[in-house]
Amino acid sequence: SAVISQKPSRDICQRGTSLTIQCQVDSQVTMMFWYRQQPGQSLTLIATANQGSEATYESGFVIDKFPISRPNLTFSTLTVSNMSPEDSSIYLCSSEGLGYNEQFFGPGTRLTVL
Amino acid sequence: DAKTTQPPSMDCAEGRAANLPCNHSTISGNEYVYWYRQIHSQGPQYIIHGLKNNETNEMASLIITEDRKSSTLILPHATLRDTAVYYCIVRVRNAGNNRKLIWGLGTSLAVNP
Repeated sequence: SAVISQKPSRDICQRGTSLTIQCQVDSQVTMMFWYRQQPGQSLTLIATANQGSEATYESGFVIDKFPISRPNLTFSTLTVSNMSPEDSSIYLCSSEGLGYNEQFFGPGTRLTVL
Repeated sequence: DAKTTQPPSMDCAEGRAANLPCNHSTISGNEYVYWYRQIHSQGPQYIIHGLKNNETNEMASLIITEDRKSSTLILPHATLRDTAVYYCIVRVRNAGNNRKLIWGLGTSLAVNP
């Protein structure tokens, strides 16, 4: 299994600013994913990030709002841009390695936008 | 849109088996059923997955009906630490042919002493 860490674990931000969330995996993985979990809700996939290619965004999510980087096989970042209170959520990173059938999740980043 | 439906909540006595049902009547032939759980304020934890056959691991058993339209997750001896939201999920392929988990609303399981 992969161990995933995220930074920051939580943050409180002002509207109109941007926050970059980092996701570090302890082993090389092929695919990384970014999810959003709004209060009391289930998980919604934002995008899939493969190393060496542009991220694939799900319907309702755009690169200008949620730019993603994937510079190597163990690291990814998600930026939440021009934040509004509606962006207050838990943001989760997960990974799926070659030969794995399951995704492993980080602990999440709890974002509050005032 | 979620491809699974689950009861919103269930209770179970400590030490007894917890049987969590899930309906996935629109599942396609090559789509897997996954189960994850999420303990409060933590990231989701993988439990088990299957395609057609019943599966068992150290955490749980997964029973899939022959028509694959429903499944049941069984925690054989529930403990207080099993209190969590349990998600039944269908894994599909998205437009980019990447594997994608479709999350439903989950079942909040309360294990009582």
